[in-house]
Amino acid sequence: LAKTTQPISMDSYEGQEVNITCSHNNIATNDYITWYQQFPSQGPRFIIQGYKTKVTNEVASLFIPADRKSSTLSLPRVSLSDTAVYYCLVGDQLEAGANNLFFGTGTRLTVIP
Amino acid sequence: DTEVTQTPKHLVMGMTNKKSLKCEQHMGHRAMYWYKQKAKKPPELMFVYSYEKLSINESVPSRFSPECPNSSLLNLHLHALQPEDSALYLCASRGSDRHPYGYTFGSGTRLTVV
Repeated sequence: LAKTTQPISMDSYEGQEVNITCSHNNIATNDYITWYQQFPSQGPRFIIQGYKTKVTNEVASLFIPADRKSSTLSLPRVSLSDTAVYYCLVGDQLEAGANNLFFGTGTRLTVIP
Repeated sequence: DTEVTQTPKHLVMGMTNKKSLKCEQHMGHRAMYWYKQKAKKPPELMFVYSYEKLSINESVPSRFSPECPNSSLLNLHLHALQPEDSALYLCASRGSDRHPYGYTFGSGTRLTVV
């Protein structure tokens, strides 16, 4: 299983760029990397997904080195509303048994005024 | 429609009650999931339905009984729960053209067992 490891918590000031790194040493060839954001008492929300190199969308960037054993979620100029828990999931196909069904501990990001 | 809808949002039940949680999606997703989440913990997988058939049951006690009546609906029947079963219950579906490997989660049902 491609177990993921993330820092438990991070603090950042408003307006700064935040980078959250996830380690997944056992990532398989067909695995994708997906990041989710979760606010209290809400379901996780999809942020970004990638396979290799760099992916960017309107809210974040995802950097994946050539060996794919880690990935970094980058949030540009965070605001107080970005305070949440961020989860990294790694896995492959849709069918039962895919290892990305399991969440790691996540990173609790606190944005400070 | 790009949402997963869960009802009710809040539920308080006694240990002898029978209740059901409902989940609905109209995105054509063929995999649907139930997760349980305790405070300050990550979601824990309970059940997976793939093409309306139960494919994963993560050793969940029999007081939780899932049901998938059709490709859009997922139920979780609850009976004789314990106070430690109080948690946020999340439903998710998976598979779309835009995010082929991404889940769409509902907002959850906050369950309190008294």
